[in-house]
Amino acid sequence: DAGVIQSPRHEVTEMGQEVTLRCKPISGHDYLFWYRQTMMRGLELLIYFNNNVPIDDSGMPEDRFSAKMPNASFSTLKIQPSEPRDSAVYFCASNKQGIQETQYFGPGTRLLVL
Amino acid sequence: DAKTTQPPSMDCAEGRAANLPCNHSTISGNEYVYWYRQIHSQGPQYIIHGLKNNETNEMASLIITEDRKSSTLILPHATLRDTAVYYCIVLIYNQGGKLIFGQGTELSVKP
Repeated sequence: DAGVIQSPRHEVTEMGQEVTLRCKPISGHDYLFWYRQTMMRGLELLIYFNNNVPIDDSGMPEDRFSAKMPNASFSTLKIQPSEPRDSAVYFCASNKQGIQETQYFGPGTRLLVL
Repeated sequence: DAKTTQPPSMDCAEGRAANLPCNHSTISGNEYVYWYRQIHSQGPQYIIHGLKNNETNEMASLIITEDRKSSTLILPHATLRDTAVYYCIVLIYNQGGKLIFGQGTELSVKP
């Protein structure tokens, strides 16, 4: 199994630009999670999906952030417009049973907004 | 979900057992204790979890005190590759509890 796949691995952009992060969960996993990690705030859950439906988006910081899951094998996290404070590592994770079960994390996308 | 308290950092000699403590004095009866670790520049990795009995798997052992107010993760023979940040998390099983990652313990395994 290839594990959770994220792309790009690194992204550098300028303030105001749109950023799209992509995630492919492990095949057969019904749940997908998006996390953000910064030095100041640590690892935070942004949103999670069950069977492609958003279940809890209370961690999404503001309206500039949006996430979609058009099918079981693909999800996007979009930031528009991006700001320097969005610079962080964004992780995607997936599992079969839900938020309490073992979550399998991807390698992350390192985002730098200048 | 109950809060956890972990020492910010620990050292361990290669080949020795690494014992990582976690306090969760406000844990409730239906909350599980989970351990994850994050090796530098990688995503977090699940290690082990338990409710009240001690647990062991191929990676580690989890010892939970009888009153469940604290636990210890044991890596029996630490290697350099075990250098990572270790997170202790408590949450209710099957009731929508979120994985809330604290600051964790930065374990340095030294040769």
